[in-house]
Amino acid sequence: AQSVAQPEDQVNVAEGNPLTVKCTYSVSGNPYLFWYVQYPNRGLQFLLKYITGDNLVKGSYGFEAEFNKSQTSFHLKKPSALVSDSALYFCAVRLYNTDKLIFGTGTRLQVFP
Amino acid sequence: DSGVTQTPKHLITATGQRVTLRCSPRSGDLSVYWYQQSLDQGLQFLIQYYNGEERAKGNILERFSAQQFPDLHSELNLSSLELGDSALYFCASSGGGGQPQHFGDGTRLSIL
Repeated sequence: AQSVAQPEDQVNVAEGNPLTVKCTYSVSGNPYLFWYVQYPNRGLQFLLKYITGDNLVKGSYGFEAEFNKSQTSFHLKKPSALVSDSALYFCAVRLYNTDKLIFGTGTRLQVFP
Repeated sequence: DSGVTQTPKHLITATGQRVTLRCSPRSGDLSVYWYQQSLDQGLQFLIQYYNGEERAKGNILERFSAQQFPDLHSELNLSSLELGDSALYFCASSGGGGQPQHFGDGTRLSIL
């Protein structure tokens, strides 16, 4: 079965420290992977995607993600967290040969001043 | 601003009623997707339309239906509403082919 897992419900980090939000996946074929962020009372905002190429993908707002095929992971990272990064983060994978996305359960990131 | 517009932002209605949610996609996007977000089920894909035709179906109840019109806007119709249908309903659009989906701000549906 094709799926996405975000093993942490919440991640807490101090402002200025690096952050990592974890995601693992299970799909048929080559994965198309995405990260989205959701602020309160807003829709999901696209951060970055991996389709092919470099394993380190750079996205919006200083975020980046590392694709690891052997570990089937696509962790979201940022070198220095901001309080304004506090939000709900979703990892998603595109089902093979479709445009359907399967989303993880989300990870709430809390950045403390 | 994602460019995807959803109306209304909030909808309060009673059990057994029928409602229509509307979505205008980003300019140029042919694909429209509908999602339901609830606390217990998370973010669930409901249905996709591409240029007026149904392209893919997810966990959409038979009481729910959707359509995409020639001007590419889409409507999601929810009927015989139940308390459990209370959720955030999102519309997204994309150009397809692995391009990212861009989401509207959603319609919050509350069933009393």
